Amino acid sequence: SQTIHQWPATLVQPVGSPLSLECTVEGTSNPNLYWYRQAAGRGLQLLFYSVGIGQISSEVPQNLSASRPQDRQFILSSKKLLLSDSGFYLCAWSRISGSTGELFFGEGSRLTVL
Amino acid sequence: KQEVTQIPAALSVPEGENLVLNCSFTDSAIYNLQWFRQDPGKGLTSLLLIQSSQREQTSGRLNASLDKSSGRSTLYIAASQPGDSATYLCAVSGNTGKLIFGQGTTLQVKP
Repeated sequence: SQTIHQWPATLVQPVGSPLSLECTVEGTSNPNLYWYRQAAGRGLQLLFYSVGIGQISSEVPQNLSASRPQDRQFILSSKKLLLSDSGFYLCAWSRISGSTGELFFGEGSRLTVL
Repeated sequence: KQEVTQIPAALSVPEGENLVLNCSFTDSAIYNLQWFRQDPGKGLTSLLLIQSSQREQTSGRLNASLDKSSGRSTLYIAASQPGDSATYLCAVSGNTGKLIFGQGTTLQVKP
């Protein structure tokens, strides 16, 4: 069966510090990978998605970047955090071909920038 | 631009009631529609997925319907239980696979 892992689960960082959130998927190959953010009082916003190694699409201009160094690894980064980067970050995956497009989410990483 | 709206934003019902959560979307050219459940501080759990060619899906006490032409979906929960208390999110995807989410309906089922 497929599983998705995110870490760290909780992170408190000062403004201006770097960020690295990691997501890995097990039990499948060549998945589509996604990073979403859920800010307080707002819905889920798609930040990045990837259809393969090194292929990243950004949905919104922001202070964050994403990388996919391996097939089942997706990393969300920032060089200098802003207060507005606080939120709940969710990684998700879906099968690329021969699928219904169903999306499966990780447990999330809660980031607080002080 | 696709927009997804969920009504009501919050709902409180006594245990045992049947209830309906509503979701509407502005662009009927969708690939599929998914309903998710989110417990406080947790990730999203997929409940039901309806492909664009389908009209409904059922899982246990949950039934989701889709009327693509009118841009509407409903999630029906039968015989609600306190354990059903959570936020329910509706999301639609186009052929790119990217999901657009509604703001969610927060459900409280009182014992």
